[in-house]
Amino acid sequence: EVQLVQSGAEVKKPGESLQISCKGYGYNFATYWIGWVRQMPGEGLEWMSLIYPGDSDTRYSPSFEGQVTMSVDKSITTAYLQWSSLKTSDTAIYFCARSGGNPRGGAFDVWGQGTMVTVSS
Amino acid sequence: QSLLTQPPSVSGAPGQRVTISCAGSSSNIGAGYDVHWYQQLPGTAPKLLIYADNNRPSGVPARFSASKSGTSASLAITGLQAEDEADYYCQSYDTSLSGQRVFGGGTKLTVL
Repeated sequence: EVQLVQSGAEVKKPGESLQISCKGYGYNFATYWIGWVRQMPGEGLEWMSLIYPGDSDTRYSPSFEGQVTMSVDKSITTAYLQWSSLKTSDTAIYFCARSGGNPRGGAFDVWGQGTMVTVSS
Repeated sequence: QSLLTQPPSVSGAPGQRVTISCAGSSSNIGAGYDVHWYQQLPGTAPKLLIYADNNRPSGVPARFSASKSGTSASLAITGLQAEDEADYYCQSYDTSLSGQRVFGGGTKLTVL
C-alpha cells in the first residue's frame, strides 16, 4: 500500500529547534516530489515547499523561504521539515504529500496523517 | 489573501446539486495550469478528489465533477449526501514571484 507516515505530535517552546519527518512506503520514493502543507488552527491549507528525492531539487513558497528547511534521505525514504528557531505562530498541523509530474503541475495524490506542532511558552 | 478565491461556505439539501467556484487570474488558472480539488473531512488529512482539471482518481464517485474555463474553475457535487459535508480546496500553480503552488482559501460545505 502506498502511504506516507509522519512523525508524532510535538510541543516546543519559542526559540527551540525542531525536525519532523515523513516516511514513504510502497512506491519508488525517489521519483515523486514530496511537499509540505501547513494548516493553522481553524484555517485553510498553505503550500510550503517541495523536494524531489531523486536529486534533492527543492522549491519553497515565498512565504516560507528562509523560515524552514526541507531535506530528504532517499536511502530511508524519508523527507524532513526543519525549524531552527520556532515561533508561536508556527503552531499548526503540517502535512506531507506526494506529487507526481513536474514541480508546477502535479496533484498531491497521497497524504500523510499530519503532525501537530504546538509552540508555547 | 489567497491567489485563488473560493466562497467561504455553500450549502445544500440531500440529493441536491451544489457547485464550488475557484476564481484565479492570468498568472495561474488563466495561464493554463492544472487545477486540482481536495476534500478534507473534519479532523482528517485532505484527500485528492479531482486532478488535472476534471479527472477523478480511482474510488472517487462520479457524483463529483469539475470544469475549468478562462481564469476560473468549479467543482460540482450532485446527489448530495450527508457524508459530503467537508471542506473543499482548489489548488493550482501561480507564476507570480518565483512561482509557487497555491491553494484556494477553502469552502465549507454544509449538508442541510
